[in-house]
Amino acid sequence: EIVMTQSPATLSVSPGERATLSCRASQTVSSNLAWYQQKPGQAPRLLIYGASTRATGIPARFSGSGSGTEFTLTITSLQSEDFAVYYCQQYNNWPMYTFGQGTKLEIK
Amino acid sequence: QVQLVQSGAEVKKPGSSVKVSCKASGGTFSSYAISWVRQAPGQGLEWMGGIIPLFGTANYAQNFQGRVTITADDSASTAYMELSSLRSEDTAVYYCAAPEYSGSHLFDYWGQGTLVTVSS
Repeated sequence: EIVMTQSPATLSVSPGERATLSCRASQTVSSNLAWYQQKPGQAPRLLIYGASTRATGIPARFSGSGSGTEFTLTITSLQSEDFAVYYCQQYNNWPMYTFGQGTKLEIK
Repeated sequence: QVQLVQSGAEVKKPGSSVKVSCKASGGTFSSYAISWVRQAPGQGLEWMGGIIPLFGTANYAQNFQGRVTITADDSASTAYMELSSLRSEDTAVYYCAAPEYSGSHLFDYWGQGTLVTVSS
């Protein structure tokens, strides 16, 4: 099983600033990596797939990078609605998928 | 646009089973992989398994092997997840999720979630 490890567990950033979230895979997942955003009481929402492609309707301030085992989600000019929990998910090892444990992005 | 509508909340006794349904509309149900993801209170997302109704064969995460059964009724455009031998740690919100395109491995669409509470 591929283990996905996200860091940090909690990230405190001020509105308008940049947030950088990391995700590491225990073995290569190529570029088969997605990021999801989840707000309290809601289902997750797909943000990024293919490590760097924004899903439909996702603002340009969200960007993804990386390949192999190291990935980054960057959110520039943080808006109030961006404070949420973010999960990475690998789908290279389909039909077995795994999520990271999540990073909580909170207001500083 | 695919919509996934799940069955309602359940309260179960330890040792019993629960079966949650997920009805899809707006897409070609049989060719899309439906996955089940659970989220314990205050915890992260955990993929449990999935099924492509067209093929009928389910795949399960190692943590749930032997306790979970995922099925699909193509005629009803509905997928089911049954979890047996319930324990308190199975208290969670259970989501079904599906991709936008057949063959995709992404979770573009999600059900509203079903809270399963396991308590004596």
